[in-house]
Amino acid sequence: GENVEQHPSTLSVQEGDSAVIKCTYSDSASNYFPWYKQELGKRPQLIIDIRSNVGEKKDQRIAVTLNKTAKHFSLHITETQPEDSAVYFCAASRSGGSNYKLTFGKGTLLTVNP
Amino acid sequence: SAVISQKPSRDICQRGTSLTIQCQVDSQVTMMFWYRQQPGQSLTLIATANQGSEATYESGFVIDKFPISRPNLTFSTLTVSNMSPEDSSIYLCSGKLGGSDTQYFGPGTRLTVL
Repeated sequence: GENVEQHPSTLSVQEGDSAVIKCTYSDSASNYFPWYKQELGKRPQLIIDIRSNVGEKKDQRIAVTLNKTAKHFSLHITETQPEDSAVYFCAASRSGGSNYKLTFGKGTLLTVNP
Repeated sequence: SAVISQKPSRDICQRGTSLTIQCQVDSQVTMMFWYRQQPGQSLTLIATANQGSEATYESGFVIDKFPISRPNLTFSTLTVSNMSPEDSSIYLCSGKLGGSDTQYFGPGTRLTVL
């Protein structure tokens, strides 16, 4: 089955700096890669996703890049703000048919210091 | 998008008893899933809840321990049977709309087994 590795497990940055979280996946058939943000005691919320036919996607201060050959994808947050502090999870799945199971990475605790 | 609610939000149970968690979606979703999340850990898929048929369980999870029902496109239940302290965790359901890869998550049910 799919295996997703996520690094780093914790990341501390100063407000205004950029943050980068990296994930690798094992299943070359995976074609959908979402990123979720989970604040303490809250549900995971999708912040951005990318499909395997796209190399990069941006949404304001957030971007995701995908390298299919190397089987890794990354989350980039620019101009970080204290409200960006949360746990971020990457995930991978095969999209289509009866498959939509998400395999999650172990998460990255991002702390943005004012 | 889809809004997902769960009941109960939390419960404290005695070992050997069972608890049924309900998941309600405000729109018809093609797929529903149940996850377990230990505090401070990642999400692990328990099973895919199939409408009108038996759920599809992931390795390490069995129907006798985690029976699942999904009588229609907006509702599912997960029962945690014969509970032990090791079952203490947060249980989350998610749903996926047709034509989209996005999974929306419920707020979770925090279960403590004494």
